[in-house]
Amino acid sequence: NAGVTQTPKFQVLKTGQSMTLQCAQDMNHEYMSWYRQDPGMGLRLIHYSVGAGITDQGEVPNGYNVSRSTTEDFPLRLLSAAPSQTSVYFCASSRNGQGYYGYTFGSGTRLTVV
Amino acid sequence: RKEVEQDPGPFNVPEGATVAFNCTYSNSASQSFFWYRQDCRKEPKLLMSVYSSGNEDGRFTAQLNRASQYISLLIRDSKLSDSATYLCVVIPGIYNQGGKLIFGQGTELSVKP
Repeated sequence: NAGVTQTPKFQVLKTGQSMTLQCAQDMNHEYMSWYRQDPGMGLRLIHYSVGAGITDQGEVPNGYNVSRSTTEDFPLRLLSAAPSQTSVYFCASSRNGQGYYGYTFGSGTRLTVV
Repeated sequence: RKEVEQDPGPFNVPEGATVAFNCTYSNSASQSFFWYRQDCRKEPKLLMSVYSSGNEDGRFTAQLNRASQYISLLIRDSKLSDSATYLCVVIPGIYNQGGKLIFGQGTELSVKP
């Protein structure tokens, strides 16, 4: 089915470990972004991309790295996991930056850092 | 002050009730506005866009007041299946900087039989 695929769905990391959250979309969307959702905080933008080879920081980028080598993939790397990065992570994509067609979200990755 | 603010609720209403959610935003240059729905532990999904003239989609009506920087969502004849968290979403500026959605913290709705 067309959409945004995130892997893994669940992950437990130890403090200091690194890992990559995968995000792939098959809708040929140019815009992709990563959000984290914490209780009472709403979703907050981590990094975003307006096309292959172009990325930029969002509201809470510290401790995260991204790259966009293809239109389809937008992985999020945790460089050295910290308990404060325990959260639910959502990847989203859109055909249009203004969201007229809506943003499609992946089903999320639930990350716990111990 | 948060860029987008919502009453977190929860709103507990009986089936058939009419319920209204409010949202305020601080950036007067914001151009695009949306309501998303999020079911428990699931991803957000677009419910409806909000247009300047107001718009309706079945039991759902969205209104925008640019002067007051205020967005509303009205749900009529509530159904059990409407139970979810409703997210107010704003896109700042005319040229969206690469998918920068600003979310409110969400308003939880629980519809009871």
